[in-house]
Amino acid sequence: ETGVTQSPTHLIKTRGQQVTLRCSSQSGHNTVSWYQQALGQGPQFIFQYYREEENGRGNFPPRFSGLQFPNYSSELNVNALELDDSALYLCASSFGQVPYNEQFFGPGTRLTVL
Amino acid sequence: AQTVTQSQPEMSVQEAETVTLSCTYDTSENNYYLFWYKQPPSRQMILVIRQEAYKQQNATENRFSVNFQKAAKSFSLKISDSQLGDTAMYFCAFMKHMTTDSWGKLQFGSGTQVVVTP
Repeated sequence: ETGVTQSPTHLIKTRGQQVTLRCSSQSGHNTVSWYQQALGQGPQFIFQYYREEENGRGNFPPRFSGLQFPNYSSELNVNALELDDSALYLCASSFGQVPYNEQFFGPGTRLTVL
Repeated sequence: AQTVTQSQPEMSVQEAETVTLSCTYDTSENNYYLFWYKQPPSRQMILVIRQEAYKQQNATENRFSVNFQKAAKSFSLKISDSQLGDTAMYFCAFMKHMTTDSWGKLQFGSGTQVVVTP
C-alpha cells in the first residue's frame, strides 16, 4: 500500500505566475484536503475534496482552486502568485469523512515565490 | 471561530525522561475532536493521538498520553520515556464535529519544537 505522494518536492516561481501542485492519495482514499504551512507556523486549511467535489473551504481567495480526479488524485492551482504564497503545501487523504477516519499527510511541496 | 494556542515554542528533554506539551483552545462548540500531530524534519505530518470531546477518558497511545480538561479547554500531551526519534515539531489541532462547513478542517496551533538529547 503506497502512502500519500506529492509533486514536485520543491518549486520556485516568480510573482504573478501560476502554479499547479499535485497529490496522489493513499490507495482506497476518496477524500483529499490541502493545507498551507508558512514558515514557523501551523498548517492552514485551504479546501477539501470528497468524491471529486469541493465540500469545504478555508479563508483563501478564489485564486486558490483545486480539482479531484476520478482516481481521487488531486491538484492545487494558485494563480497570480504573491510573495506571501511562499510556503509548504501539504495534502492529506482519508477514506470517507474525517475525523472518523485518519487523515494521512504527504511530505509536502515547498513553494518559493520570488 | 476556534483558536488553538501552543505557548511553548521549544522544549528540550533528555532521553528516557518525560516532557509535557501544553495546548489550549477556544470554542463555543460542545462536540469536537482534538489531535496531536508530529512533524519531523522530513516534513510529513504524523498523527500521534486523538481525543473525542464527548469521551471523559484520556486517550493513550503507547508512550503518548493526553490530559484533556474540557471545562478548562486544555489538551496537553505527555511523552514518556522520550526517545531520540521523538525530536520533531508537535502540533495541537482542533476539528469541529461533522457539519457541512467543517468537513475535514483541522485548525492547528503554532507548534512546539521538541528536542530530545542523549
